[in-house]
Amino acid sequence: GAVVSQHPSRVICKSGTSVKIECRSLDFQATTMFWYRQFPKQSLMLMATSNEGSKATYEQGVEKDKFLINHASLTLSTLTVTSAHPEDSSFYICSTATADTQYFGPGTRLTVL
Amino acid sequence: TQLLEQSPQFLSIQEGENLTVYCNSSSVFSSLQWYRQEPGEGPVLLVTVVTGGEVKKLKRLTFQFGDARKDSSLHITAAQPGDTGLYLCAGGANDYKLSFGAGTTVTVRA
Repeated sequence: GAVVSQHPSRVICKSGTSVKIECRSLDFQATTMFWYRQFPKQSLMLMATSNEGSKATYEQGVEKDKFLINHASLTLSTLTVTSAHPEDSSFYICSTATADTQYFGPGTRLTVL
Repeated sequence: TQLLEQSPQFLSIQEGENLTVYCNSSSVFSSLQWYRQEPGEGPVLLVTVVTGGEVKKLKRLTFQFGDARKDSSLHITAAQPGDTGLYLCAGGANDYKLSFGAGTTVTVRA
């Protein structure tokens, strides 16, 4: 399967600051990546679909101006949480997609103080 | 809204026992995946099933996809403490998106 990395693995920031999370597809070119958020003891909730070279598609209820997604190359998508607040604290996971399967990164734990 | 319902939500068993996790939906999926996730890590793919009625075996794990491609089950034989984790089923559509179940937390006691 595909190998996906995320950076950083953990980040702690102050309320009001912005945080960028990187998602890299290490062994294949990903035209489509997905960003998820997962709260403790809950399942994954899709936030947005990241499309290489075009705008991301956001799920209902996800603020596109708060969660900025950039997919400038076939191996890198970034998620920037702007003006982060404590309620944005969560586990953020990206994935790459093949025809019928997604491969997930190891996740980024964001804690906003 | 979760399109896939998983049951049970929690499962705690003794090492050596068997367990089954169910994943049900009213929707038809083009494929169905099972993942296992450990705390602080991303989900790891266990299997993808695409054909109605398909059965796949992965060592002590047996996966079934319903004939109508609406439901699936995961059966673990002689569970071990290393099987502990959050098991997630996910249904695939033609747009590459996945719809996830709520997950089943499995704890295998030594």
